[in-house]
Amino acid sequence: DVKVTQSSRYLVKRTGEKVFLECVQDMDHENMFWYRQDPGLGLRLIYFSYDVKMKEKGDIPEGYSVSREKKERFSLILESASTNQTSMYLCASSPGQGTVWDFFGPGTRLTVL
Amino acid sequence: QKEVEQDPGPLSVPEGAIVSLNCTYSNSAFQYFMWYRQYSRKGPELLMYTYSSGNKEDGRFTAQVDKSSKYISLFIRDSQPSDSATYLCASTRGNTPLVFGKGTRLSVIA
Repeated sequence: DVKVTQSSRYLVKRTGEKVFLECVQDMDHENMFWYRQDPGLGLRLIYFSYDVKMKEKGDIPEGYSVSREKKERFSLILESASTNQTSMYLCASSPGQGTVWDFFGPGTRLTVL
Repeated sequence: QKEVEQDPGPLSVPEGAIVSLNCTYSNSAFQYFMWYRQYSRKGPELLMYTYSSGNKEDGRFTAQVDKSSKYISLFIRDSQPSDSATYLCASTRGNTPLVFGKGTRLSVIA
């Protein structure tokens, strides 16, 4: 089974802190994604990557950056956390090469105080 | 207009009922259609996947796509309390990220 793991299930940070969310997949997938999920707004794509050291902006990249130094690992960085970044963050991966659906991790519930 | 629209519900049905969940989409280039199920405080998991128009059945679940009307449906037969979850539809052209609906929260009451 594909496994996508996220470094924390729950995280509480202060406004202005730099926050790192880590995601690792164990199936040699080409593509990785970061989403946030909020009530009434659904899943929104923040950033994605189709290859190592490559990144593309999604629908809501403002206030976020990403890093993909290794194929299996995709990090989401909140440079200066704000209260409006309190959300559920979901990482996903997909094989590429004809398989179009995403495999999701369990999510990180981030609260910014 | 959002590319994939989905009624958020909530939808509450008695155990054993047939459930119909629906989405519409606006991008005629979409070729792949998916349904995800998400239990509370968990990540979404792929439930059904369909390419182009047509039906696909898997046990109690049937996914249906009508490209002429840009309509995506998921039917659940003999619904069970364990089916209580949020259901998300998603679509893509195939070489772009998935576009998700907002999800429909379903409760199946025993």
